[in-house]
Order: sequence, then structure tokens, then C-alpha cells
Amino acid sequence: EPEVTQTPSHQVTQMGQEVILRCVPISNHLYFYWYRQILGQKVEFLVSFYNNEISEKSEIFDDQFSVERPDGSNFTLKIRSTKLEDSAMYFCASRATGTGRETQYFGPGTRLLVL
Amino acid sequence: AQSVAQPEDQVNVAEGNPLTVKCTYSVSGNPYLFWYVQYPNRGLQFLLKYITGDNLVKGSYGFEAEFNKSQTSFHLKKPSALVSDSALYFCAVRASLSGNTPLVFGKGTRLSVIA
Repeated sequence: EPEVTQTPSHQVTQMGQEVILRCVPISNHLYFYWYRQILGQKVEFLVSFYNNEISEKSEIFDDQFSVERPDGSNFTLKIRSTKLEDSAMYFCASRATGTGRETQYFGPGTRLLVL
Repeated sequence: AQSVAQPEDQVNVAEGNPLTVKCTYSVSGNPYLFWYVQYPNRGLQFLLKYITGDNLVKGSYGFEAEFNKSQTSFHLKKPSALVSDSALYFCAVRASLSGNTPLVFGKGTRLSVIA
């Protein structure tokens, strides 16, 4: 069964450094999402992406964040200058288009630790 | 604004007994409702969804959920719990109004099934 994959599984970085989190959505899916989960808290929406542009973003997704689909398979989340409070598990998700295809499928996550 | 409430942080049940994990929601318009499960150090795994039709929906691993519009609830149930069902369960909602509305998650309920 096709799965969303994410790399790396863990990333440790120093405050102020840039990080790029990578995702490979399920092929033929056209909606892509990033969510995050701070330890012990609920899953929060960051951004959605469709047709090579951001569809919607939350207040968390400020100017330090950006997303890109650099080729036909990858979907990346970049944090330009990491802060301590960016430490979280970051999940990528994808969804197919069409009626009856509302389910978002999540990857295993990247655990980001900012020191 | 959309919201999801999972009133119980923890649910304990003996193996073989029925289990219920509660979820109530608030959304403008018709809801799309989802349950996801998260095992330790893993991503979010889709269990089941309600989009339209029968109020009782069946999903993976013997789980089911009942949509109750008047009570705005979508409780997750299983007739006979297994120890392997022990995990963190998230209820999520999105409005059906537009194609790329993100999911809003509850804070999660930790289910512990005791042998």
C-alpha cells in the first residue's frame, strides 16, 4: 500500500539555523499538508498546498516558514531561522482529489529538536 | 471556527471489554469527521471517517464510530478491546465547504487496554 514518507526521521539543530524537512507524498495525490505536534500537545495545522501554491496557512506559519514542491515527487518545509519553540514532530500529509477521497494520509513524522 | 473536544485524556479498559473514546465537534456546515491512531514514535494512522450516509461507520481493526448530528458527537467504539489497541487516539474534523480545508484535531485520548 502506498505511504507518505518523510526524511529525516530525527533532526537536531542549533537555534538560528535553517532546516529543511522532506516529504514524498503518495503519488497521484495533489493536496499536500504540513502539521506539527509539540510534545504532549495536539496536532496543529501549518499549511496546505495545491497546484503549486499555498491554499491555506495558519498563524503559526509565519515568514520563517516556507514550502516548496521542487520536483514531481518531493514536498519540503523550510524553517529559515529555527527557534527553540520550533521543536516538535512535523507531519506531512497528502490527499487525493475527487469525491470520496477526503482522507488525509500522514507520514511517520520528523522529530525536530532545536537547541 | 472549527473545533474538536476529546473530554478524556485517558481511558482504561480491560481486555475483552467494550471501549468508547468520546469526541464532540463544532463546525460550520456539514462536517467531515475522522479518527486517527498514533502508536509510540509513529505517525498518524487513519482509522475511519464519516462523510455522509449511514451514521454508523466501520473502520480498521474492528473499530466503528457513530455520527450523532443532534449531539454533535462522533464517538469511537470497539466491542472487544485488545491490548494491542493501546495507543493515542485523535478525532479530527474539517468543514465540507471547500476542497482544501485543513483538519482540526482534538487533543487526543490515550487508550490503555489492560490484560
